[in-house]
Amino acid sequence: GDSVTQTEGQVALSEEDFLTIHCNYSASGYPTLFWYVQYPGEGPQLLFRASRDKEKGSSRGFEATYDKGTTSFHLRKASVQESDSAVYYCALSEWTGFASALTFGSGTKVIPCLP
Amino acid sequence: NTKITQSPRYLILGRANKSLECEQHLGHNAMYWYKQSAEKPPELMFLYNLKQLIRNETVPSRFIPECPDSSKLLLHISAVDPEDSAVYFCASSLGTISNERLFFGHGTKLSVL
Repeated sequence: GDSVTQTEGQVALSEEDFLTIHCNYSASGYPTLFWYVQYPGEGPQLLFRASRDKEKGSSRGFEATYDKGTTSFHLRKASVQESDSAVYYCALSEWTGFASALTFGSGTKVIPCLP
Repeated sequence: NTKITQSPRYLILGRANKSLECEQHLGHNAMYWYKQSAEKPPELMFLYNLKQLIRNETVPSRFIPECPDSSKLLLHISAVDPEDSAVYFCASSLGTISNERLFFGHGTKLSVL
């Protein structure tokens, strides 16, 4: 079945550092790709999504570009802040014909440290 | 997110039976139950669209979902097992297009003694 792979389980970096979280997917069709963010004690919430090759999604300084050639959707942010402390999930949706079923990657915990 | 309400927020059980409740005020057609174990991503358990069960993943038979109307979702749990300790999230979506986003509630944290 369809799957998503995130290689970084946890990323610790100084405030204002550049953040990259890698996401690769495996799907038989042409899935929509998502980045969700989860803060402690809350449910995941959508950061942004992309549905087409070369489409760029962005929100709150985060961005990712759908790359069908490399089957990737890597998350990047130029300057990480303390408020970005959360778990980030790459996900893809599978259309069942009636609704979308979302499959999440394993998640990456971002830990900003004071410089 | 007050648009999807889940109750209770916390639940501690021995081997009793209990029901989790969810209600969405977004006018969505599709509703979901996801299970999130500690340090793991959410995993789909059940998916309903317009009250019809569309997706039923491999879930122990002690979990029984119910969708009394398109805005409400229940999860009945009988004779819980320690492996059931997790946060159970309710979610909803439009249920009409293929790239739609899901909205999640705050979850019910289940602790099994």
